[in-house]
Amino acid sequence: GIQVEQSPPDLILQEGANSTLRCNFSDSVNNLQWFHQNPWGQLINLFYIPSGTKQNGRLSATTVATERYSLLYISSSQTTDSGVYFCAPSPFGNEKLTFGTGTRLTIIP
Amino acid sequence: DAGVTQSPTHLIKTRGQHVTLRCSPISGHKSVSWYQQVLGQGPQFIFQYYEKEERGRGNFPDRFSARQFPNYSSELNVNALLLGDSALYLCASSLQSQGDYEQYFGPGTRLTVT
Repeated sequence: GIQVEQSPPDLILQEGANSTLRCNFSDSVNNLQWFHQNPWGQLINLFYIPSGTKQNGRLSATTVATERYSLLYISSSQTTDSGVYFCAPSPFGNEKLTFGTGTRLTIIP
Repeated sequence: DAGVTQSPTHLIKTRGQHVTLRCSPISGHKSVSWYQQVLGQGPQFIFQYYEKEERGRGNFPDRFSARQFPNYSSELNVNALLLGDSALYLCASSLQSQGDYEQYFGPGTRLTVT
């Protein structure tokens, strides 16, 4: 199956800072999603981005499918951005999402 | 519109017991998937059902089973519970038509096995 690596594993930033989270995957993908997991365990959809670039407010994401990586950008961080960010691709012909180990982001006021 | 709902939210069981977890997908979604998330790890795929047919199974023992009903809701059953089954169980639904495969997750059921 697809192998997924996320980096960095942990990130601590001051409020207002910008950050880039990276996701490398080992195979061609039909789907790739970014999620934010809040402290209560809820997975919140951020982006559905098998290829290209999307933006939603302070967040944007880029997937370069041919080079098998995706990036999540967070600008002007707020304390509510704290939590674990997961990248989850799925291969062609299979809707199973494979999750990485996540990046734990902590925003300090 | 209501999102994916799961019940119960929390559950405590004893080793060897059986548990049933329930999931209702977003209205109009015909695909339901189940994931297990143990502490400190990302969710792991257990099952996917589409139109009441099993479409995928992860690397889990036969103690885990699931089904999907005509209204597209789903149940996950786990027999002979082990301590290692303690985890957050997540259900996701997706439209799976017209190229839309985005999955939406419910709040999860937190299972503790003692």
